[in-house]
Amino acid sequence: QLQLQESGPGLVKPSETLSLTCNVSGGSVNSKSYYWGWIRQTPGKGLEWIGSVYYSGSAYYSPSLQSRVTISVDTSKNQFFLTLDSVTAADTAVYYCARQPNALDSWGQGTLVTVSS
Amino acid sequence: AIQLTQSPSSLSASVGDRVTITCRTSQGVSSALAWYQQKPGEPPKLLISYSSRLEGGVPSRFSGSGSGTDFTLTISGLQPEDFATYYCQLFNNYPPITFGQGTRLEIK
Repeated sequence: QLQLQESGPGLVKPSETLSLTCNVSGGSVNSKSYYWGWIRQTPGKGLEWIGSVYYSGSAYYSPSLQSRVTISVDTSKNQFFLTLDSVTAADTAVYYCARQPNALDSWGQGTLVTVSS
Repeated sequence: AIQLTQSPSSLSASVGDRVTITCRTSQGVSSALAWYQQKPGEPPKLLISYSSRLEGGVPSRFSGSGSGTDFTLTISGLQPEDFATYYCQLFNNYPPITFGQGTRLEIK
């Protein structure tokens, strides 16, 4: 059974870089059938797609975050990654990773990242 | 980018009721629309993809319909475990992938 697990610091200082890892088990990121995505949800608010990456490393991003976001993949470790530069309090959110054949059919449990000094 | 408008933002209903949630897109998107259920403290769960394709394990009281610009999620015979927040999501013509604003379904 596919499982995704987010990991990374729960607290990031303003202007610094947020870095998260999604560990995939029970399936392979090295698949031509799926993209792998990052989504966030601010407390009490809705869902915001951040971006997605293909096994080849090809990635595409939300236009509103594109200037600050990088998503990458390491097929040897069966992981994919999110970096978000120059964070502010507005980037405080629960961050999810998910598998994306078309819709997002499997999600991690999410990790809360707080931006605060 | 294609705009996605979900309504209502909240809804009160009773166990056994039939409820409908709507998503409207600013341009035709064929059937590339999905519906998710989210309960507090949990990630979203995919219920329906391609407008009407029920995901494995999802009860048959959930159904989706629509194409083009107007889509609906219907829950027939609400159960206590169905009280949650529901989101639609557009997955064609990305980037970007777009979510609706959410509908909070509450017990009356």
